[in-house]
Amino acid sequence: RKEVEQDPGPFNVPEGATVAFNCTYSNSASQSFFWYRQDCRKEPKLLMSVYSSGNEDGRFTAQLNRASQYISLLIRDSKLSDSATYLCVVNGRGNDMRFGAGTRLTVKP
Amino acid sequence: EAGVTQFPSHSVIEKGQTVTLRCDPISGHDNLYWYRRVMGKEIKFLLHFVKESKQDESGMPNNRFLAERTGGTYSTLKVQPAELEDSGVYFCASSYQAGTTEAFFGQGTRLTVV
Repeated sequence: RKEVEQDPGPFNVPEGATVAFNCTYSNSASQSFFWYRQDCRKEPKLLMSVYSSGNEDGRFTAQLNRASQYISLLIRDSKLSDSATYLCVVNGRGNDMRFGAGTRLTVKP
Repeated sequence: EAGVTQFPSHSVIEKGQTVTLRCDPISGHDNLYWYRRVMGKEIKFLLHFVKESKQDESGMPNNRFLAERTGGTYSTLKVQPAELEDSGVYFCASSYQAGTTEAFFGQGTRLTVV
């Protein structure tokens, strides 16, 4: 089983749509969770950290379910500029980060 | 403030040759990580330095890969001899604290072994 699993997509949605990404992780001892965004041929950049209580940043909402070892990212009112690959990241056993394969999102006019 | 810088940005080498990748982390970041993404696959962890010490090198694929971080500043990743399957994008990242704070990535080195 992979340490971090994501639906690879692709997700093709119209502007203004709401889209949700899911991620599961295998290490129950993980403490830190993140969503990174990666544009084509660019480096990953932090989108948001994911806290136990859930957190929101503008149009983006992240949720964590420790019991199910599940993380989600919700994007509301999608913009063309949201098109990217979204990476679920979980801190590993050595307190470093392990990545999911990423979910590709394309927002169309 | 300068971000994480990697050199070179691209490298094309022949099978059997040696390549050395360099990473300069953000000043003050003790934690330095190397990752690799091969075509169509997820970004995979290679190793983690805390200052000059290897905290975790469980992701290093084999003994053809050697990473160093002398003096706890910049790091190098040497591949010797390179094989075709080593092709991919090698990312370096640094963070102030391990695991709990944001890691900043360099733009990567795209390695092609022909």
